[in-house]
Amino acid sequence: GIQVEQSPPDLILQEGANSTLRCNFSDSVNNLQWFHQNPWGQLINLFYIPSGTKQNGRLSATTVATERYSLLYISSSQTTDSGVYFCAVEGTDKLIFGTGTRLQVFP
Amino acid sequence: ETGVTQSPTHLIKTRGQQVTLRCSSQSGHNTVSWYQQALGQGPQFIFQYYREEENGRGNFPPRFSGLQFPNYSSELNVNALELDDSALYLCASSLGYWTDTQYFGPGTRLTVL
Repeated sequence: GIQVEQSPPDLILQEGANSTLRCNFSDSVNNLQWFHQNPWGQLINLFYIPSGTKQNGRLSATTVATERYSLLYISSSQTTDSGVYFCAVEGTDKLIFGTGTRLQVFP
Repeated sequence: ETGVTQSPTHLIKTRGQQVTLRCSSQSGHNTVSWYQQALGQGPQFIFQYYREEENGRGNFPPRFSGLQFPNYSSELNVNALELDDSALYLCASSLGYWTDTQYFGPGTRLTVL
């Protein structure tokens, strides 16, 4: 099956810093989504981005499907950005989640 | 527009018991997926229901079963609970197939003693 790996596994930032999170997948996919899981466990959909670039406020994402990776950019990070970021790709009849990047933003 | 809701929030059971978790999908969504998230890991797909029919299943034993009702709400049933079933159970709804944007509920945290 498709393998989804994310890097880095952990990231510690000071408020205001920028960061880039990476998602690599082992096979071509038709669907890629980025999620943020807050410290209380709630998963929030950030982007539905099978290819190309999208931006939403301080967050943007780029997926290069031909090279099997996606990047999530967080600019001017805030403490509320803390949590775990997951990418998920469409496998055979299911959504496959990556290993996650745990982000901690300190004031 | 109401979001995805799940009940209960927390649950404690003992090994061998049975449990039912409930999910109400977002208004207008006809697809519900269930995931199990063990501590420190990403969510693992259990199964999906589309218009009351099971429409895909992950690598979970038959003691994990589900239902979807005509109003598109759903239940996850787990029989013969094992210690390893302790996890956060997440429900997600979408407008159609799993290729569509997934909207997750707050989850039910199940502890099996």
